[in-house]
Amino acid sequence: TQLLEQSPQFLSIQEGENLTVYCNSSSVFSSLQWYRQEPGEGPVLLVTVVTGGEVKKLKRLTFQFGDARKDSSLHITAAQPGDTGLYLCAAFFGNEKLTFGTGTRLTIIP
Amino acid sequence: KAGVTQTPRYLIKTRGQQVTLSCSPISGHRSVSWYQQTPGQGLQFLFEYFSETQRNKGNFPGRFSGRQFSNSRSEMNVSTLELGDSALYLCASSLNSRVDTQYFGPGTRLTVL
Repeated sequence: TQLLEQSPQFLSIQEGENLTVYCNSSSVFSSLQWYRQEPGEGPVLLVTVVTGGEVKKLKRLTFQFGDARKDSSLHITAAQPGDTGLYLCAAFFGNEKLTFGTGTRLTIIP
Repeated sequence: KAGVTQTPRYLIKTRGQQVTLSCSPISGHRSVSWYQQTPGQGLQFLFEYFSETQRNKGNFPGRFSGRQFSNSRSEMNVSTLELGDSALYLCASSLNSRVDTQYFGPGTRLTVL
C-alpha cells in the first residue's frame, strides 16, 4: 500500500511569512499533484509535476519534485490570508490509482 | 462552463438506512470518480466510472456501490449505513480518465446518527 505523508499536519503563521510544506512517500510515483481545498468546497488542482527535479512556479507558490520521485515540496512566499486552506498532495504510483496525502491545514493570520 | 454539481449538499441518516448521492459532471467529461474524505483517513478513492462501466475500485466494502448513466451523470449508494460512514463524499470529473485533470464538486456531507 502506497502512503503519502505530509508535514506539518497543521501550520499557523503570520501574514507575510514564508512556509514550506512537504510530501513524502516510500515508493516512487509517476507524477504528483498539489491541491488546495477551502471549507465547503472540493479540492482544486494547483499543479502537476511529472519529471524528477522539476520546479514549477505559480505566482508566490513554488512546487518542487524530488530527484528520486519520492518526495515533493510546496513553498509559499509572503503568505496571504487567501492562502489559508487544506493543502493536499496526490500521486499516481505507476497506475491510475490516485493516492492522496494526509494533508496540511494552513492558517495565515492577518 | 458549469462545474461539477453534487446533490444533496447535506444529509443526515440513521444507522442501517441506505443513501444515494448524485453527481453531475462537467459537460463533455466522461470519467467520474468518487472519494470519501474523513478527518482520520483523509481523502480515499472509492471508484471510477467511464462510459457507464466501473473502471477502477478502491478498498471499500460492497456496501458502497455506484453507477453511471448514459449522460455521464453518476450516483453512489451506501447501504446499511454505519456511524463510520459519516464523511464528506466528493465527486470529480475528468475528460477521459483520472490521469486527466480532475475537477471536484463541493461534496455531500453525510452524517450518520
